[in-house]
Amino acid sequence: DARVTQTPRHKVTEMGQEVTMRCQPILGHNTVFWYRQTMMQGLELLAYFRNRAPLDDSGMPKDRFSAEMPDATLATLKIQPSEPRDSAVYFCASGSGRGPGYEKLFFGSGTQLSVL
Amino acid sequence: QKEVEQNSGPLSVPEGAIASLNCTYSDRGSQSFFWYRQYSGKSPELIMSIYSNGDKEDGRFTAQLNKASQYVSLLIRDSQPSDSATYLCAAFMTTDSWGKLQFGAGTQVVVTP
Repeated sequence: DARVTQTPRHKVTEMGQEVTMRCQPILGHNTVFWYRQTMMQGLELLAYFRNRAPLDDSGMPKDRFSAEMPDATLATLKIQPSEPRDSAVYFCASGSGRGPGYEKLFFGSGTQLSVL
Repeated sequence: QKEVEQNSGPLSVPEGAIASLNCTYSDRGSQSFFWYRQYSGKSPELIMSIYSNGDKEDGRFTAQLNKASQYVSLLIRDSQPSDSATYLCAAFMTTDSWGKLQFGAGTQVVVTP
């Protein structure tokens, strides 16, 4: 059963600490999206990759967030330093990249981040 | 103004009735649209996609698209308590490089027995 795998499921950390979230996309999928979900803002697009190349990271606070895809089976989202306002659920989603507009995304279970 | 707008609800629907959810989008260049269902504490799950004007049916779900009015809707027939969830409308907006999927805030549906 193909699925997007995210780790960790939960993370509690103190303000100022570094947080790294990992995502393993579905095998064969070549687009990866990072979203953040909060009650107030809903699902916000942070960054996305196609064929491991970053296409758009305009949704990310550049000074503290970074997203990378070191290989086809791993995407990472890093926050350094973390702040309480970063508390949210972070979702990774992958798609088959059939073509612009035909992107059906499959979501991972998310990382629930709490920054104290 | 958000790029994809939905009524937040909650939309209360008696069991067996039709639930009607609406969504509008701002970018006329959007070419494809999706409905995701999200149970509380879970991740979004794709339930419908629609690319052309008109209706598309899949089981108890019907998606409707009107590009001239920039309007997408989802009908859930014979609503069941298991349909109680938040339904997210999403529009794929093309960009110079590829495109991005933008989500609405979601409509909470509560099906009452």
